[in-house]
Amino acid sequence: AQSVTQLDSQVPVFEEAPVELRCNYSSSVSVYLFWYVQYPNQGLQLLLKYLSGSTLVKGINGFEAEFNKSQTSFHLRKPSVHISDTAEYFCAVRSTNAGKSTFGDGTTLTVKP
Amino acid sequence: DTEVTQTPKHLVMGMTNKKSLKCEQHMGHRAMYWYKQKAKKPPELMFVYSYEKLSINESVPSRFSPECPNSSLLNLHLHALQPEDSALYLCASSQAGQGFGDQETQYFGPGTRLLVL
Repeated sequence: AQSVTQLDSQVPVFEEAPVELRCNYSSSVSVYLFWYVQYPNQGLQLLLKYLSGSTLVKGINGFEAEFNKSQTSFHLRKPSVHISDTAEYFCAVRSTNAGKSTFGDGTTLTVKP
Repeated sequence: DTEVTQTPKHLVMGMTNKKSLKCEQHMGHRAMYWYKQKAKKPPELMFVYSYEKLSINESVPSRFSPECPNSSLLNLHLHALQPEDSALYLCASSQAGQGFGDQETQYFGPGTRLLVL
């Protein structure tokens, strides 16, 4: 069994400030890790993923995340946010032996001018 | 091309209606998924097709009936739905769905927003 906890349900931040969205997971097997973004009234778009190799993963729109196996975390970061980054962000895990993905409850990022 | 398309974008139906949602991908992916997403909630997996065979059914009520006519198409047939079935229905695909690295990346469509009256 696997689970995902997104530690912050809402994150308000001012434009051009840095942001970190936190994600912790638990799993009895090795996992793949994903961050998705969902803009209002749209589907999910993949931001970045960790499958193997380097623990620092760079994604689209200037986002990056670091896989920390000892802390079972996969936090998402951006050094300087824009108004257009306002959206819902979902962390997801999937075991390496296939099966289904498990999503966190989401974090609403609101970027204020 | 990493596009998954879904039709229709919006659907309003009565509880006695029969309708279908359609999903299409031309990436050569062999795994396709249906998710249901309520407002302010994460997507919930409903069904997974792998190589055109149903591999996962998350105990979904029989009023939802999936169909995978070929490797590019996925349908969701709806019949006698309830108002609580109103949600955003998302389709996704991945290359293999068998635990092989980058093939596990799921690509999502924009969804069909369903309202049951």
